[in-house]
Amino acid sequence: EPEVTQTPSHQVTQMGQEVILRCVPISNHLYFYWYRQILGQKVEFLVSFYNNEISEKSEIFDDQFSVERPDGSNFTLKIRSTKLEDSAMYFCASSPIAGSTDTQYFGPGTRLTVL
Amino acid sequence: AQSVAQPEDQVNVAEGNPLTVKCTYSVSGNPYLFWYVQYPNRGLQFLLKYITGDNLVKGSYGFEAEFNKSQTSFHLKKPSALVSDSALYFCAARDSGYALNFGKGTSLLVTP
Repeated sequence: EPEVTQTPSHQVTQMGQEVILRCVPISNHLYFYWYRQILGQKVEFLVSFYNNEISEKSEIFDDQFSVERPDGSNFTLKIRSTKLEDSAMYFCASSPIAGSTDTQYFGPGTRLTVL
Repeated sequence: AQSVAQPEDQVNVAEGNPLTVKCTYSVSGNPYLFWYVQYPNRGLQFLLKYITGDNLVKGSYGFEAEFNKSQTSFHLKKPSALVSDSALYFCAARDSGYALNFGKGTSLLVTP
């Protein structure tokens, strides 16, 4: 069964450094998403992406964040200058088509630790 | 604004007994409701969803959920719990947008 994959599984960085989190969505999916889960808190939506454009983003997704689909398979989340409060589990998800009824399939997550 | 509430932080059930994990929602339009499960050190796995039609939705691993519009609830159920069902369960809702709005999660512990 196809799965969303994410690399690395754990990333440790110093405050102020740039990080790039990588995701490979399911191959025939068209919509891509990033969520994050701060330890002990609920999963929060960051951004959705379709046709090389951001289709929706939350208040969390400020100018420090960017997303890109650099090639036909990868989907990346960049944090330009990490803060301590960016420490969280970051989940990538993908769905086959647009629409509120569509199921999003999640990857295993990247745990980001900012020191 | 939409919101999802999972009133229980933890649910404890003996193996073989029925289980219920509660979820209530507040959505401005038609609610699209989802249940996901998270095992330790794993991502979120889709269990089931309600879009329209029958109020009782059947999903993976023997789970089902009942949509109740009058009570704005979407409780997850299973007739006979297994120890392997022990995990973190998340209810989520969408209306017309792309974002899933998650509840805070309920930890299910099934004891032998």
